[in-house]
Amino acid sequence: QQQVKQSPQSLIVQKGGISIINCAYENTAFDYFPWYQQFPGKGPALLIAIRPDVSEKKEGRFTISFNKSAKQFSLHIMDSQPGDSATYFCAAKVVTSGSRLTFGEGTQLTVNP
Amino acid sequence: DGGITQSPKYLFRKEGQNVTLSCEQNLNHDAMYWYRQDPGQGLRLIYYSQIVNDFQKGDIAEGYSVSREKKESFPLTVTSAQKNPTAFYLCASSITGGDQPQHFGDGTRLSIL
Repeated sequence: QQQVKQSPQSLIVQKGGISIINCAYENTAFDYFPWYQQFPGKGPALLIAIRPDVSEKKEGRFTISFNKSAKQFSLHIMDSQPGDSATYFCAAKVVTSGSRLTFGEGTQLTVNP
Repeated sequence: DGGITQSPKYLFRKEGQNVTLSCEQNLNHDAMYWYRQDPGQGLRLIYYSQIVNDFQKGDIAEGYSVSREKKESFPLTVTSAQKNPTAFYLCASSITGGDQPQHFGDGTRLSIL
């Protein structure tokens, strides 16, 4: 019940296209959903996060869509660029039960020029 | 600049040796974490600490040990009991509780000679 399932494992997109990464969870107590971006040899960095009281959050070319009834959330990268090539992780946590995050397995995104 | 410093960046261990990975943060965060990252398996939590002099096992604590004597420091020891220690190790910190993100260091890559 603590798992967060992420798909696809890898994704190849052409420059200018839309990249979509999906995550699903079972624990209905989760109430904070961040996305992290990781470049090779570096630690993950927070990209964008959402709480379940909103269905969508947009920051620049990055958008999180959240579907509470389906227990799913997704990351959309508009106008994908080669510099977006990285590994993306979704995560979730229960805000009131401390600070531990549950991570998805990661998606390796490649944006071809 | 505030951040998390992990050292060394690369570490080699002989069979039967214990090695200690350093993690220091100057973000004044109460909580600190250690993750192990293997290809295709995402981030797995080894240990975490939400306050000085206290820590909890994560999902894969066997063969590892930690200490939290100072707020700024959370060293991880990989013991000889860890049979497959080759991995990328990531340290993170956060404000305890709330919808606060975790901030990551740039990792230590441990290899067996």
